Amino acid sequence: QKEVEQNSGPLSVPEGAIASLNCTYSDRVSQSFFWYRQYSGKSPELIMSIYSNGDKEDGRFTAQLNKASQYVSLLIRDSQPSDSATYLCASMEYGNKLVFGAGTILRVKS
Amino acid sequence: EAGVAQSPRYKIIEKRQSVAFWCNPISGHATLYWYQQILGQGPKLLIQFQNNGVVDDSQLPKDRFSAERLKGVDSTLKIQPAKLEDSAVYLCASSLDRDQPQHFGDGTRLSIL
Repeated sequence: QKEVEQNSGPLSVPEGAIASLNCTYSDRVSQSFFWYRQYSGKSPELIMSIYSNGDKEDGRFTAQLNKASQYVSLLIRDSQPSDSATYLCASMEYGNKLVFGAGTILRVKS
Repeated sequence: EAGVAQSPRYKIIEKRQSVAFWCNPISGHATLYWYQQILGQGPKLLIQFQNNGVVDDSQLPKDRFSAERLKGVDSTLKIQPAKLEDSAVYLCASSLDRDQPQHFGDGTRLSIL
């Protein structure tokens, strides 16, 4: 099985700062990538999807994809304490199977 | 729109016992997934259904795990007999179709004593 790698963190940022979360993937043929947010004890919640190279913005969130480097990132602008959670990166493999990274813990300090 | 429903929320059993989990996907979603999430790890796909057929069960430990989706709607996942390493959260997800975003239920937290 192909792998998705993430720094486990925790990543600590002050309130109002930009949080930058990174992810690398091993399957060169993956075309679709997703970011899920998971609060402690809760289920993963889809927050961003990205399919082509470049940036995709949605409110305070920007996803970035670089297929040549096999790299996906998520930027959270104006971070809030409510953004504190684990962020899971996932790539969709052949057969439409999602492969998840272990997640990065984000802590936003007020 | 109602989300993915799962039950029970929590289950504690002893090793070698059996357990079953139930999932009702979002109405109209053709694809249903069962994931296992061990503490500190990302979800790992166990089995994927398209309507009532199995698409991928390559990571399902078939000697002890089984799953079915007989009428193409709700699904059950069974473990028999349970081992200590099966302690995890079992997540059900569904999507409109195989290439569509997946939406997760709240999961069942299983503890094996």
